[in-house]
Amino acid sequence: EAGVTQFPSHSVIEKGQTVTLRCDPISGHDNLYWYRRVMGKEIKFLLHFVKESKQDESGMPNNRFLAERTGGTYSTLKVQPAELEDSGVYFCASSQVRGMSYTGELFFGEGSRLTVL
Amino acid sequence: GDSVTQMEGPVTLSEEAFLTINCTYTATGYPSLFWYVQYPGEGLQLLLKATKADDKGSNKGFEATYRKETTSFHLEKGSVQVSDSAVYFCALSVIRRGSTLGRLYFGRGTQLTVWP
Repeated sequence: EAGVTQFPSHSVIEKGQTVTLRCDPISGHDNLYWYRRVMGKEIKFLLHFVKESKQDESGMPNNRFLAERTGGTYSTLKVQPAELEDSGVYFCASSQVRGMSYTGELFFGEGSRLTVL
Repeated sequence: GDSVTQMEGPVTLSEEAFLTINCTYTATGYPSLFWYVQYPGEGLQLLLKATKADDKGSNKGFEATYRKETTSFHLEKGSVQVSDSAVYFCALSVIRRGSTLGRLYFGRGTQLTVWP
């Protein structure tokens, strides 16, 4: 079974440009999450999809970030325009959660490293 | 709010040394606690977990005990190997009305390097 895959693994762009990160979750996982780790700091939650619906986007830093999950399969995270402080590693994770039996295990991708110059 | 404070490191040890990485938490309600590990070139993966007070999670020789009285979940291993070199993240999640299932609160991560 394929794991969570993310693309690109590393992107270097200039301030003001646009970048789109993609995440393919594990097949059949309805829940998809985006997290971000700014260098040396904790990994922070950005948002959560259940299928194609955004359930919680309270962690999105500002309106320069747009996440989509059309059809409830893969997801994209677009940063437009990118700023220096957006540099970091963006992780995608997925899970199949059922009610209160949630065990807490998320399956993470390798992350997409974004460098904004 | 919910948060995790983790010993930051980096930690450098010789093979077969004893490892402790400290983790304390703040949470409203009854959190589940986790240790995730990221090996070089890989994604984060769950190492172990504990879902209630006094539970001990264990895997690959690593252990952590959920201590409610000290709000801690320290990671330990009696004899580390070179292959344990990785970044270790302590995390929690809380299931309560209005919370997001699967929302994890992470510590800053501890880089562990083990030398032969």
